[in-house]
Amino acid sequence: SSELTQDPAVSVALGQTARITCQGDSLRTYYASWYQQKPGQAPVIVIYAKNNRPSGIPDRFSGSSSGNTASLTITGAQAEDEADYFCHSADRSGNHRVFGGGTKLTVL
Amino acid sequence: QLQLQESGPGLVKPSETLSLTCTVSGGSISSSSYYWGWIRQPPGKGLEWIGTIYPSGSTYYNPSLKTRVSMSVDTSKNQFSLRLNSVTAADTAFYYCAREGKGVFITYYYYYMDVWGKGTAVTVSS
Repeated sequence: SSELTQDPAVSVALGQTARITCQGDSLRTYYASWYQQKPGQAPVIVIYAKNNRPSGIPDRFSGSSSGNTASLTITGAQAEDEADYFCHSADRSGNHRVFGGGTKLTVL
Repeated sequence: QLQLQESGPGLVKPSETLSLTCTVSGGSISSSSYYWGWIRQPPGKGLEWIGTIYPSGSTYYNPSLKTRVSMSVDTSKNQFSLRLNSVTAADTAFYYCAREGKGVFITYYYYYMDVWGKGTAVTVSS
C-alpha cells in the first residue's frame, strides 16, 4: 500500500508532550519526514530522515520510527505549535511520494 | 538562501490546461543533489503530491494524475514547470513547488522537501 494514515486530530495541554503518528507499509523501508503548516502558510519541514531537525526548528520537535509507524513528538508543546502536521514518504517503489492525511494539533 | 516562487494564471476554465512555473533563485536547479516537486492542497484538505522531476529530466507522477500531468525543466531560466490538462473543479487548489532531497541512513532511504514556495491559488471555473 502507498498510503500513510494519520489521526485527524490530537490535542495537548500547554507544556505537555504531544505525539503524532503516521502509519504505512512503506515506512518499513523509507523514513518519514514531517511538515508543520499554519493557516494561510506554506508547509515547513520540521523533521526528516527519522530524527533530523533543519536549522531553526526547536529541539522540542523529535522524530522516531518503529516498524510501519513513524512518530513526531513535541516535548513541552507551546501555543505556537498549534498547526496541521503532515507526514511524507515514498511508496515501496521509491518513485512516488505520498503524504499522510494530516493531523490538526490543538494546544489547550 | 534558496527561494522558490510559483507563477501562473489564478483562473482556468474547465477542460483547459493549467500551466504553472516555479522560478528558483539563490541556487542552481541543475544541482544533482536535489529534485524538484509540485504539491497541491484543495481548500480545507490535505497535501497531495503531484509529481517530481529530476535535473536529468526524468519525471515521476502521482498515479492518479499520471494521464493528465507533465513536468519539465528549463535550466537556462532556472525554472521548472507543471502542466495539468483537462482540468475540472476538483483541480481547484493551492499549488506549491518545492525542492526535494533524498538520502540513505543505514538500511532506510528517505525523501524530504526542505524549501517550499509560498504557493499559488488556482481556481477552475467557467
